[in-house]
Amino acid sequence: DSGVTQTPKHLITATGQRVTLRCSPRSGDLSVYWYQQSLDQGLQFLIQYYNGEERAKGNILERFSAQQFPDLHSELNLSSLELGDSALYFCASSVSPGNNSPLHFGNGTRLTVT
Amino acid sequence: GESVGLHLPTLSVQEGDNSIINCAYSNSASDYFIWYKQESGKGPQFIIDIRSNMDKRQGQRVTVLLNKTVKHLSLQIAATQPGDSAVYFCAEKGNDMRFGAGTRLTVKP
Repeated sequence: DSGVTQTPKHLITATGQRVTLRCSPRSGDLSVYWYQQSLDQGLQFLIQYYNGEERAKGNILERFSAQQFPDLHSELNLSSLELGDSALYFCASSVSPGNNSPLHFGNGTRLTVT
Repeated sequence: GESVGLHLPTLSVQEGDNSIINCAYSNSASDYFIWYKQESGKGPQFIIDIRSNMDKRQGQRVTVLLNKTVKHLSLQIAATQPGDSAVYFCAEKGNDMRFGAGTRLTVKP
């Protein structure tokens, strides 16, 4: 168990809808990362937060947004969903965004857009 | 742009043999590298890391080698077991962490 909790585990919704994915980082970790993994693909970095502030942004669509709250949990909001948004969404956390701090991943939220 | 990639998408080995999974990176400024293992239905699991001031690091049954000259990283698994079957990702860490496409390791009994 990595200590990173993601909810829900599964989500099925229709095109055009909006969903929110939730992540609780490991105790003591201040940095949260979001990744998207499509079927049999690698992990695409979306966005990173550190102590409530956006730290780095990757290939995140404008329809997607995220935030990290004062209690350090994070939410990823996906709107105007398209079929191609179906994927596994992973959250990871680390102590700090420094170079020598490994990420610890949750077990993901599987999003299916129909 | 900068990228992290893997040489082989699949690797099949016999149980008990040693496995070697390779990774090429292109960002010469990267100074920290990590190997992850991802089993079906689970998130990536940290295996071992290495800093750029090291060439080799050993863990339990795993060894990571770093060749900065050719920007190459490898993961060696000794006495591969069926439980080692998974997808293995290398990643380089800077302000964020970038992953390669992964290598699927299959261990034959």
